[in-house]
Amino acid sequence: RKEVEQDPGPFNVPEGATVAFNCTYSNSASQSFFWYRQDCRKEPKLLMSVYSSGNEDGRFTAQLNRASQYISLLIRDSKLSDSATYLCVVNSPLRDGAGTASKLTFGTGTRLQVTL
Amino acid sequence: GAGVSQTPSNKVTEKGKYVELRCDPISGHTALYWYRQSLGQGPEFLIYFQGTGAADDSGLPNDRFFAVRPEGSVSTLKIQRTERGDSAVYLCASSLVSGGWETQYFGPGTRLLVL
Repeated sequence: RKEVEQDPGPFNVPEGATVAFNCTYSNSASQSFFWYRQDCRKEPKLLMSVYSSGNEDGRFTAQLNRASQYISLLIRDSKLSDSATYLCVVNSPLRDGAGTASKLTFGTGTRLQVTL
Repeated sequence: GAGVSQTPSNKVTEKGKYVELRCDPISGHTALYWYRQSLGQGPEFLIYFQGTGAADDSGLPNDRFFAVRPEGSVSTLKIQRTERGDSAVYLCASSLVSGGWETQYFGPGTRLLVL
């Protein structure tokens, strides 16, 4: 079983639609959580961090449920420019002596295509 | 300011050859990571450096893979006796320090194709 699981999609939605992505993670030691966006043939870029209290950045809302080990991303009023792959990411401890290092573990990504 | 840079941007090699991939982190970033992204997958962790030392290399797939960071800045990922299965995008990331809340900034990656 993958450490971070997400539906690969693709999700094809019309402009203006609301779309939701979900993700589950298995490592209960995970400390922090993110959504990254990756455009075709580009590197991943941080979209937003995810907190238990929920956080919003314009049209984007992210939510974390630690008890269920579940992360979500909601995009309202989709734009053509939102078309990309959205990667669910958890930050998990690495085994270094100080116990402070961590690595990012990525899901496979969910592809979103927004159409006219 | 300058972001993470990686060279070459593309590398085509033949099975069995040796390749080196270079990463220049953001100036002042002490933590450096290598990831590998295969087609249709998310990036997978390979190795982490804090300063000059490889603090965790648990993601390296086998002993054909090795990475160095001799002066605590530039890092080189080295792959010996390349195989077709090594074809992927190799991503480097750096962060100011290592810790749960430090953002990792990714370079554009090196696309490796092993024929």
